[in-house]
Amino acid sequence: AQSVTQLGSHVSVSEGALVLLRCNYSSSVPPYLFWYVQYPNQGLQLLLKYTSAATLVKGINGFEAEFKKSETSFHLTKPSAHMSDAAEYFCAVRWGGGGADGLTFGKGTHLIIQP
Amino acid sequence: ETGVTQSPTHLIKTRGQQVTLRCSSQSGHNTVSWYQQALGQGPQFIFQYYREEENGRGNFPPRFSGLQFPNYSSELNVNALELDDSALYLCASSLVGYPAYNEQFFGPGTRLTVL
Repeated sequence: AQSVTQLGSHVSVSEGALVLLRCNYSSSVPPYLFWYVQYPNQGLQLLLKYTSAATLVKGINGFEAEFKKSETSFHLTKPSAHMSDAAEYFCAVRWGGGGADGLTFGKGTHLIIQP
Repeated sequence: ETGVTQSPTHLIKTRGQQVTLRCSSQSGHNTVSWYQQALGQGPQFIFQYYREEENGRGNFPPRFSGLQFPNYSSELNVNALELDDSALYLCASSLVGYPAYNEQFFGPGTRLTVL
């Protein structure tokens, strides 16, 4: 079965430090890739998506992600962490075409920002 | 533009009962997907509805069923509730078609507790 792996259930960084959240997917079939953020007691908000137009994707709140087909990865980065970035982050993949079918999510990474 | 809304916010049921959760799509969207998010886990795809018909289903038993109405709102019904059904249920709407990377927009979720 196709799967999404997020390495590290918890990641802790200092405010101002680089944020790196890892995501790998299982299939070599070109997927559609997304990163979502979830704040406590809220739904999911889209940070960015890979649309095949460019391998480096820029999203909201200063986040970006790079699609590496050879590594089947789509890691999320932010150059300088802010306290407001503390949240749960989910990588999601869709293999279906035409927008049909659901997303397959990773288990999430809880980002902790230390002052 | 109205976002995705869900009702109720919280719900408590007992084992064996039936429950109906409701979702209103974002304006202009024609597809609704439902996800189950257990505590500490990523969302899992339950099913998707397009043009009032089920358009894809994850690994969930038939006691999970749904409806989509002409105005694209949707219901998730769960029969014979089990303790493991306790979770946050997320609804997401999207526009199926080209391009296939159209993202899903999530509602705030309904927290279901089964006692």
